[in-house]
Amino acid sequence: GENVEQHPSTLSVQEGDSAVIKCTYSDSASNYFPWYKQELGKGPQLIIDIRSNVGEKKDQRIAVTLNKTAKHFSLHITETQPEDSAVYFCAASSNRNQFYFGTGTSLTVIP
Amino acid sequence: GAVVSQHPSRVICKSGTSVKIECRSLDFQATTMFWYRQFPKQSLMLMATSNEGSKATYEQGVEKDKFLINHASLTLSTLTVTSAHPEDSSFYICSARSGLATGELFFGEGSRLTVL
Repeated sequence: GENVEQHPSTLSVQEGDSAVIKCTYSDSASNYFPWYKQELGKGPQLIIDIRSNVGEKKDQRIAVTLNKTAKHFSLHITETQPEDSAVYFCAASSNRNQFYFGTGTSLTVIP
Repeated sequence: GAVVSQHPSRVICKSGTSVKIECRSLDFQATTMFWYRQFPKQSLMLMATSNEGSKATYEQGVEKDKFLINHASLTLSTLTVTSAHPEDSSFYICSARSGLATGELFFGEGSRLTVL
């Protein structure tokens, strides 16, 4: 089955700096890679996703890159703000209707 | 984005009682819903996959008689924790996939269960 690894587990950045979270996957059949933001006591919220037919996607301060050959994808947050502080999860999915999640990254943005 | 509503958000019950958690997809039909359990500072642990009109598929180690899942319609799945014990206390989260197998996955707000 699929194995998704996520790094780092914790990340602290100064407000205004960029944050990068990286994930790797093992199953070449995976073709959909969403990222979720989870605030304390709440369910994960989909913030951006990418499919295997593109290499990069951007939405304002958030961007995701995908390297299919190396089987890794990354989340980039620019100009970080305190409200970006949360736990971020990556995931990988194929047409087999299963999602495999990373172990999460706790991001702290220091004002 | 699509909305998945989960209720209740918090529930406290006594040992031995049963608790039902509802998960609704509000603006799309979900043939598949997933139920997760999350321990503090840990990732999402898939408990079962709920398919509309058929029996749920449980992950290894999850007791299907303890965690009853019903997916009676394309917009509603329920998780019933039967004969709850303190060790069942946890954060339970549902999710629903829009469209077919390539659709996005959206999560509910989660339900915090505390068993006294």
